[in-house]
Amino acid sequence: NAGVTQTPKFQVLKTGQSMTLQCAQDMNHNSMYWYRQDPGMGLRLIYYSASEGTTDKGEVPNGYNVSRLNKREFSLRLESAAPSQTSVYFCAIATGGNYEQYFGPGTRLTVT
Amino acid sequence: GENVEQHPSTLSVQEGDSAVIKCTYSDSASNYFPWYKQELGKRPQLIIDIRSNVGEKKDQRIAVTLNKTAKHFSLHITETQPEDSAVYFCAAGGRYGGSQGNLIFGKGTKLSVKP
Repeated sequence: NAGVTQTPKFQVLKTGQSMTLQCAQDMNHNSMYWYRQDPGMGLRLIYYSASEGTTDKGEVPNGYNVSRLNKREFSLRLESAAPSQTSVYFCAIATGGNYEQYFGPGTRLTVT
Repeated sequence: GENVEQHPSTLSVQEGDSAVIKCTYSDSASNYFPWYKQELGKRPQLIIDIRSNVGEKKDQRIAVTLNKTAKHFSLHITETQPEDSAVYFCAAGGRYGGSQGNLIFGKGTKLSVKP
């Protein structure tokens, strides 16, 4: 899965601060996804983008915004971080309609 | 919307034994069922998947079975090895609410293989 990169790997924020998580792919896939993973909760979809220029809400979009900057990049923004957003965030890509999703290495975010 | 239930949440087996993890789903429109393996601190990795037009698929020591009528699918690992120890996630995929390719994940099974 070297084709999906995420930055940063780790981040600590204080409540109310903002930040953007970056995801980039070099596999020319159409679809990109943002998930959060919490202990015992599996992976929950935050937002997804089926193609460049389109974004849609997933299961848990509240408190987040996204931007599909171009085909390669899909960013996730926390405008005012809350402790409930402490989680591991994964970006994933798929060819679109094929369903096979491949994950990036993740960003571990702590909000104090 | 779709809901995926996964059991058991933890599973401990002796090396060489078989392990079975089961999932059920609710939406009959789901037509793609992948399984992911996640080692501690790593990303989820796709290990096997099955589509709704197939009842069983094998890849060496792992196999997945699908019963569309009952809406359940299972992961079977034979001759388990310590390196099989990880958290395994099932998922169901389909066209939900006008989207395409979205996956709904189960909550995971922590498999421990004792030497």
